[in-house]
Parts: sequence; structure tokens; C-alpha cells
Amino acid sequence: AQSVTQPDIHITVSEGASLELRCNYSYGATPYLFWYVQSPGQGLQLLLKYFSGDTLVQGIKGFEAEFKRSQSSFNLRKPSVHWSDAAEYFCAVGGAGGFKTIFGAGTRLFVKA
Amino acid sequence: DTAVSQTPKYLVTQMGNDKSIKCEQNLGHDTMYWYKQDSKKFLKIMFSYNNKELIINETVPNRFSPKSPDKAHLNLHINSLELGDSAVYFCASSPAGRNEKLFFGSGTQLSVL
Repeated sequence: AQSVTQPDIHITVSEGASLELRCNYSYGATPYLFWYVQSPGQGLQLLLKYFSGDTLVQGIKGFEAEFKRSQSSFNLRKPSVHWSDAAEYFCAVGGAGGFKTIFGAGTRLFVKA
Repeated sequence: DTAVSQTPKYLVTQMGNDKSIKCEQNLGHDTMYWYKQDSKKFLKIMFSYNNKELIINETVPNRFSPKSPDKAHLNLHINSLELGDSAVYFCASSPAGRNEKLFFGSGTQLSVL
């Protein structure tokens, strides 16, 4: 069955510190992988996506993610967190040519001054 | 010039009522979706339409009926509302039926009293 697991319900990071949000997926075929961010009261916005090629992908707002097929993981990273990064982050998986994107339960990021 | 717009943003109603949520996208996309986000932020797909044709219909009670009058619009009608229907409902769209980036509306917070 297709699924996405985000092990951390919430994470607190000091401003300026590095960040890593974990994501593991289960998918029967070649996955399309995504990270979305949701600010309070807003819809989701795509941070980055991986379809094929280089396993390290760059996204908006200084985020990057690395696809590791052997670990079925797609962790999100940022070298230096800003207070404005505080939000809910969702990892998602879909398939080539498919219509269904499955989301993880989300990780809430808190940033402390 | 909002890309995906939903109305209303907030909807408070009594149990047993019938209500509708409207969604419009001006991106020229072929595929539109309804997602439900519960109180724990879990995001689950409900329906998807591609070129006005229903292609995804998850295990949603038949009190929920989507309608797509044209490619740019996907409305959600809910009959006999129940307490458990309280959630945030997101409309989204994607280009050409491909499982790529989803563009989300800002959500409709439905509260059933």
C-alpha cells in the first residue's frame, strides 16, 4: 500500500540552526516525491519535488531534499532556519502519470529566537 | 488574480443542513481535486476530476457530491451535514492530468454545530 510517514509530529529549532525533517515512503513503483509547506490559515505551497535524476533537489526558500531509494526516504533540510519558516511541513508521494498524491501527517516546525 | 480560489473561507452551519463550497482556478489546468484536512492536520484526497470527468472517488460518504460544470470549476455539495464533517476542505488543481505540482486554494473551514 502507498503511504508516507513523517515520524516527527513537531520539531523545535533555534533560529539560525540547521533543520532536517524526516520522511519515509512506501510506493510500489517509481515515486514522485514532494515537500509542501502550510502556513497558518493558508493552503499548501510546493517547496520542491523529485521525479528523477539528481537525488539532491533544491527548492524555494533555501530548502533542499535528498532522495535515498535504499532507505525509502526523502528528508528535507535547510542549513539555517529563519523565524518565518515556522509552519507545517508535509511530505507527499505520487506516481508517474497518476492523479493521486498521498500526504504524510505533517511535521509542525517551531522556531525559537 | 488568485490562482485557485475557494468560497466561502468559513462556513458555520447546523447538523442536517445542506451546504456547498465553490472552487475556481484560472491556471488553465485540466485536473482539480478536493482534499479534506482534519483537526490533526491529516490531509486526505476525496475526489479528482480530469477534464470534467470524475477519476478519483475515495471512500467518501455519498452525502458528498462533487460537480464540475467546466474545467475551471469544481464544487462540493454536502447533504445532511454531520458533526464529523467539520474540517478544512481544500481545493487544488494540477496541469494536464499529470501527477505533478498541486496548486492549493486557501481552504474552507467548515464547522458543523
